[in-house]
Amino acid sequence: LAKTTQPISMDSYEGQEVNITCSHNNIATNDYITWYQQFPSQGPRFIIQGYKTKVTNEVASLFIPADRKSSTLSLPRVSLSDTAVYYCLVVPTGGGNKLTFGTGTQLKVEL
Amino acid sequence: GAVVSQHPSRVICKSGTSVKIECRSLDFQATTMFWYRQFPKQSLMLMATSNEGSKATYEQGVEKDKFLINHASLTLSTLTVTSAHPEDSSFYICSARPPVVGSERQPQHFGDGTRLSIL
Repeated sequence: LAKTTQPISMDSYEGQEVNITCSHNNIATNDYITWYQQFPSQGPRFIIQGYKTKVTNEVASLFIPADRKSSTLSLPRVSLSDTAVYYCLVVPTGGGNKLTFGTGTQLKVEL
Repeated sequence: GAVVSQHPSRVICKSGTSVKIECRSLDFQATTMFWYRQFPKQSLMLMATSNEGSKATYEQGVEKDKFLINHASLTLSTLTVTSAHPEDSSFYICSARPPVVGSERQPQHFGDGTRLSIL
């Protein structure tokens, strides 16, 4: 399973755009990139997933360069409620559905 | 959307007690479910893969006799922490992935976790 590396923590202010970059140098051809958000004492919540280029949904955008060795989660106009840990995962398309979590990025949003 | 439910959300009990945690997929069938453990300020660690109708597959270092897993139906997996001790206190989380819909890949969905505290 491809290992991921992301910053341990990030700080931001309300209303700003936050970009969290994850590196996954050993990503395989059939791997997807998936991001989760976790609040204290809750299970991870799916945010967005993608294979290449750009994916956007109602809460975030995911940018994946052509070499797919990294990805960037973009959160537009964050609020205090976006304070959470964000996990980047590389997930194989086929085979088992096991997920390997890295350290995650603790995002702290302040007023 | 797909929902995974865990019960109970919190358990506090004495050392030596066995504790059962339930994980249900509410609107889809899951032949495979996963159990994770998360200690404070740490990431999720996969403990085992629960397989409907067959034995669970445990990750290295996880005692199968300590953490009993039963996946008797397509919507329910249970994790029993047997003879729990204070070091078993942790946050236990389950997950499952809905079947593929058309060509759209479905992500794993997680329960809200169970906080286990052993006194």
